[in-house]
Amino acid sequence: SQELEQSPQSLIVQEGKNLTINCTSSKTLYGLYWYKQKYGEGLIFLMMLQKGGEEKSHEKITAKLDEKKQQSSLHITASQPSHAGIYLCGAPPPGFGNEKLTFGTGTRLTIIP
Amino acid sequence: EAGVTQFPSHSVIEKGQTVTLRCDPISGHDNLYWYRRVMGKEIKFLLHFVKESKQDESGMPNNRFLAERTGGTYSTLKVQPAELEDSGVYFCASSPLKGRLYFGPGTRLTVT
Repeated sequence: SQELEQSPQSLIVQEGKNLTINCTSSKTLYGLYWYKQKYGEGLIFLMMLQKGGEEKSHEKITAKLDEKKQQSSLHITASQPSHAGIYLCGAPPPGFGNEKLTFGTGTRLTIIP
Repeated sequence: EAGVTQFPSHSVIEKGQTVTLRCDPISGHDNLYWYRRVMGKEIKFLLHFVKESKQDESGMPNNRFLAERTGGTYSTLKVQPAELEDSGVYFCASSPLKGRLYFGPGTRLTVT
């Protein structure tokens, strides 16, 4: 079965600093989702990557998918308190369109004012 | 557009009791998924409905768990009898035939 390892598990960053979260798969990635979760809330969709080498950005968050390395990275520029939360990567099985996702354990991000 | 809703938001029950969780997907979404996160573990897939049919229930932990989706609209997940290890957050998600998942806020289940 596929496993997703996220690093770091926890991250404390001063407001305004940049940061990167990594998601490494034990098997080939056929796509990758990034979600963010805040306590008491559901998973908030950030981005979906489908092709090797693909890079997407939304506001100050950029995600890349490197299929050769079976890895994806999430980069936040000039972090803000609103970025705090748990970031989760999720991988679909082959044949994109079936959302039976395998999730990573998550990265807890804390932003210090 | 209303999102995925789940009820209750939090449930505390004693071991051996029964609990039923409800999920209302986004209107028109044929796909409905249940996931759960137990303490310290990653979110795990439980099962997948396409309309009212169970497409994949390979993630259901045992026969104490029963999921239904009557009429292809809302879904319920019943745990009977509940055990301590069932504690966690149960997420429901829905999607159109080809599209991304929309998650609900989750139900936090505590079994004491």
